[in-house]
Amino acid sequence: DAGVIQSPRHEVTEMGQEVTLRCKPISGHNSLFWYRQTMMRGLELLIYFNNNVPIDDSGMPEDRFSAKMPNASFSTLKIQPSEPRDSAVYFCASSLGLAGFNEQFFGPGTRLTVL
Amino acid sequence: AQTVTQSQPEMSVQEAETVTLSCTYDTSESDYYLFWYKQPPSRQMILVIRQEAYKQQNATENRFSVNFQKAAKSFSLKISDSQLGDAAMYFCAYRRGGAQKLVFGQGTRLTINP
Repeated sequence: DAGVIQSPRHEVTEMGQEVTLRCKPISGHNSLFWYRQTMMRGLELLIYFNNNVPIDDSGMPEDRFSAKMPNASFSTLKIQPSEPRDSAVYFCASSLGLAGFNEQFFGPGTRLTVL
Repeated sequence: AQTVTQSQPEMSVQEAETVTLSCTYDTSESDYYLFWYKQPPSRQMILVIRQEAYKQQNATENRFSVNFQKAAKSFSLKISDSQLGDAAMYFCAYRRGGAQKLVFGQGTRLTINP
């Protein structure tokens, strides 16, 4: 079975450019999560969706960040304009978001470098 | 707010030996779940083991086991018969029951010495 798919795996861009990260969750999962990992702040939840609806975006750092989930099989995280401090690894995860363990399955991450 | 603390930034162990990674958490909730994730150099986050707070019995998964001390809010991971493939960052995580958000600790980098 395919796991969570993220693209691109690596992205290098210049400050001020728009960056779009993509995620395809595991088929049948109805919750999707975007995390950011940095050395300074560790793993932080940015936003999560349940049934394609954003539930909690309190972790989104500022208005330059936006996320969408137009359907159950696709989500994007956009940064516009990008800044060097946005350099990080961005993970997407999905789960069958009901009761119990709700194990989150992570994608391989996108390493973003903003020059 | 819930917090998760991993006090050991780095640990090392000889191959085939046993190592214990520490994790403490702070919560006022009674219903919650605890997890250990492994992140090898490939960056992929892999669930190693999980524990429900209402269960007193410690979870085990092959060579991996936990010591869950609810009153002390401690959740340590024991790796027995360490193997070279166990080398990775290990993250402890907390999730409140009925919630979706995972709160992660800062991680412990485990090195296995051959």
